[in-house]
Amino acid sequence: DSGVTQTPKHLITATGQRVTLRCSPRSGDLSVYWYQQSLDQGLQFLIQYYNGEERAKGNILERFSAQQFPDLHSELNLSSLELGDSALYFCASSRLAGEHNEQFFGPGTRLTVL
Amino acid sequence: SQKIEQNSEALNIQEGKTATLTCNYTNYSPAYLQWYRQDPGRGPVFLLLIRENEKEKRKERLKVTFDTTLKQSLFHITASQPADSATYLCAPNSGNTPLVFGKGTRLSVIA
Repeated sequence: DSGVTQTPKHLITATGQRVTLRCSPRSGDLSVYWYQQSLDQGLQFLIQYYNGEERAKGNILERFSAQQFPDLHSELNLSSLELGDSALYFCASSRLAGEHNEQFFGPGTRLTVL
Repeated sequence: SQKIEQNSEALNIQEGKTATLTCNYTNYSPAYLQWYRQDPGRGPVFLLLIRENEKEKRKERLKVTFDTTLKQSLFHITASQPADSATYLCAPNSGNTPLVFGKGTRLSVIA
């Protein structure tokens, strides 16, 4: 158990809908990362927050947004969903912001868009 | 653009042998390189980090090398066991850029 929690575990929704994925980092970790993993693309970095502020942005679509709250939990919002958004979404956390810090991954949320 | 290649998509080896996985990168100079293990449907788990000034790092049955001239890291599992079967991901990175993962090598250790 990494100490990172993600909810929900599974999510099935329809095209055009909006969903929110939730992540609680390990106790004491200030940095939260979001990744998308699909079969053909591997693990893709979406966005990173550090202590409430956006720190780095990857290949995140404009339809997606995220935030980190004062209690350090984070939410990833996906809107106008398309079939291609079906994937595993992972949240990870690390103590600090530097990318040399090991990341602890949550169990993931499996999103299926029908 | 940055490119990471991990030798083969799948590697099958006999139990007890040493598994060697390769990670090659191009178009950048990472200061660190991390290796993670991922089981099907689960999040990756950190295994080892090696810095550019370290040639080799060991942890129990795991050994990682980092050759900045060849732009390559080798990941070895000695005395492999069926429980080592998983996908292994490498992530070579500079200090201030987001972690970028290779697509991974799926290792199967056959009893």
